[in-house]
Amino acid sequence: DTGVSQNPRHKITKRGQNVTFRCDPISEHNRLYWYRQTLGQGPEFLTYFQNEAQLEKSRLLSDRFSAERPKGSFSTLEIQRTEQGDSAMYLCASSLRLQGTPYNEQFFGPGTRLTVL
Amino acid sequence: KNEVEQSPQNLTAQEGEFITINCSYSVGISALHWLQQHPGGGIVSLFMLSSGKKKHGRLIATINIQEKHSSLHITASHPRDSAVYICAVRLLSSEKSSGDKLTFGTGTRLAVRP
Repeated sequence: DTGVSQNPRHKITKRGQNVTFRCDPISEHNRLYWYRQTLGQGPEFLTYFQNEAQLEKSRLLSDRFSAERPKGSFSTLEIQRTEQGDSAMYLCASSLRLQGTPYNEQFFGPGTRLTVL
Repeated sequence: KNEVEQSPQNLTAQEGEFITINCSYSVGISALHWLQQHPGGGIVSLFMLSSGKKKHGRLIATINIQEKHSSLHITASHPRDSAVYICAVRLLSSEKSSGDKLTFGTGTRLAVRP
């Protein structure tokens, strides 16, 4: 499978615990996006990377959230001291964006569903 | 008010019916996506539009830039079309930040009965 993959697919944790999710984008894609989707809502932007650089972060991304893309390939999203309000589907998407070229579509992973008890 | 509004929120149809889902947006955009999300969460991109009309199989997507409106049509609907359909836009303002982040509608939940 050469699409975007995410692990784990499901995570149940207790309030106060730390969790980490992983996203593996399509291999040649230089842009990687994290979105969060709560029940019954559309996804909301969290952050994005161009290669290893984190270029934008949403105000939704509190200081308990941190994302990395250390080698410009896979990315991790960590949530520290989880709260019940963090329960959501965390979606990753990737795209190829070269300088001077038009916008290309994003390809989404299957998501990681987080439940905080 | 959300920047991207979809209607209807929920739609039930009989197999074979022609279905239309609408998306309106209030800001300048450079591209609009129609996405399909099945139970379990995975999102599949159906169309990316910046003008005109696109067709793929039984699916047709249109966009009117002047009216800031897009429609997704499903002809001869089938139970396997049951899913949430989400409209998402790339804002023109995203170009300033050099990002291509998407802004999403809340989705239209479609159920097609046999």
